[in-house]
Amino acid sequence: EVQLVESGGGLVQPGGSLRLSCAASGFTFSSYEMNWVRQAPGKGLEWVSYISSSGSTIYYADSVKGRFTISRDNAKNSLYLQMNSLRAEDTAVYYCARDGGRAGVRAFDIWGQGTMVTVSS
Amino acid sequence: DIQMTQSPSSLSASVGDRVTITCRASQSISSYLNWYQQKPGKAPKLLIYAASSLQSGVPSRFSGSGSGTDFTLTISSLQPEDFATYYCQQSYSTLTGFGQGTRLEIK
Repeated sequence: EVQLVESGGGLVQPGGSLRLSCAASGFTFSSYEMNWVRQAPGKGLEWVSYISSSGSTIYYADSVKGRFTISRDNAKNSLYLQMNSLRAEDTAVYYCARDGGRAGVRAFDIWGQGTMVTVSS
Repeated sequence: DIQMTQSPSSLSASVGDRVTITCRASQSISSYLNWYQQKPGKAPKLLIYAASSLQSGVPSRFSGSGSGTDFTLTISSLQPEDFATYYCQQSYSTLTGFGQGTRLEIK
């Protein structure tokens, strides 16, 4: 079964750090581009970051640039998001999502169940 | 940045109704437009990619159209399981982004 499972969420104080992980199974992880997407409570979807299949190309949303770092370990079939200098507005469910690349169009075809990050004192 | 605007923000409809949701981009994005469905407490699900292509396993009552700046998602005959929030996404830019969502509620 094709699956993504996130972990590492929790409660952290403002200014703190957290590292999220996403374990992939059921597909050739190293062949796919990956993303992190977040959703604040009661709000819409916000794309956070992208990493190419090799890890050589990375993009960030302006809201997290300079504070978050995306990475991957293809040998471990895992995606990561290192989050530093966390703010209250980073509170959200964080999803990892596979970039399925349909018909030459990037599309997120597989999503994890999400992990909740709460930034509060 | 490319801004995506969905309308309406919320919509009430009945089972069997035909429903259309609109998504407008702030600049031309060709056909780089996807649609997702999200139910409460669940991850989003890809419905339509490249503006009009149906994702595998998605019922044929869902369809998408449009190109350039104006796009639509149509549900031909609403089923009880279709009541959810729908998001459009542009993947024209490397910095992809989503519309604000359209909440489809039961009338």
